[in-house]
Amino acid sequence: AQRVTQPEKLLSVFKGAPVELKCNYSYSGSPELFWYVQYSRQRLQLLLRHISRESIKGFTADLNKGETSFHLKKPFAQEEDSAMYYCALSSYGGATNKLIFGTGTLLAVQP
Amino acid sequence: SQTIHQWPATLVQPVGSPLSLECTVEGTSNPNLYWYRQAAGRGLQLLFYSVGIGQISSEVPQNLSASRPQDRQFILSSKKLLLSDSGFYLCAWSPTGKERYSPLHFGNGTRLTVT
Repeated sequence: AQRVTQPEKLLSVFKGAPVELKCNYSYSGSPELFWYVQYSRQRLQLLLRHISRESIKGFTADLNKGETSFHLKKPFAQEEDSAMYYCALSSYGGATNKLIFGTGTLLAVQP
Repeated sequence: SQTIHQWPATLVQPVGSPLSLECTVEGTSNPNLYWYRQAAGRGLQLLFYSVGIGQISSEVPQNLSASRPQDRQFILSSKKLLLSDSGFYLCAWSPTGKERYSPLHFGNGTRLTVT
């Protein structure tokens, strides 16, 4: 079954500390993975995608097929990083792209 | 540029009443459209998606239905609301032709409380 697991509901760190938001997936094919972010009073939006191998706002995520993980990392957290983060798996079939989301992790960066 | 509008932002409805949430997209043609529900502790659950006018696929059996009367309009409905229908409903779109790698673009959501 296709599934995305984010084991932490809340992650609290101090400003300047490293951040790692965990994401594990279950998918029989070749996965396409995304991280979405929702800042306070803003809509849910794409942060980064596996296919692009990009760094956005200092965040990176590496796909580890052996561990079936796609953890989101940032070396030095900033207060403005506080938000809800969702990991998502693209379940492509037929004519459309269905995203399967994890339950989300609330990142709180303390001053 | 493309924009997505979703309304109302909040809604309080009694059990047994009907529901209609509307979503429209501007600035693109023939988008894929989606309805998600965000429930506490359960993440985002895909309810319906549509690849074209009149074409609706349901992901989970439930008390809700969806319709797409126009290319860029997506409606979520119910004839009789249940308490369990309470939640945060998100509409989203993605462009056709690049499905697998396309991100979803979300609306601001509707907070539905069934009393």
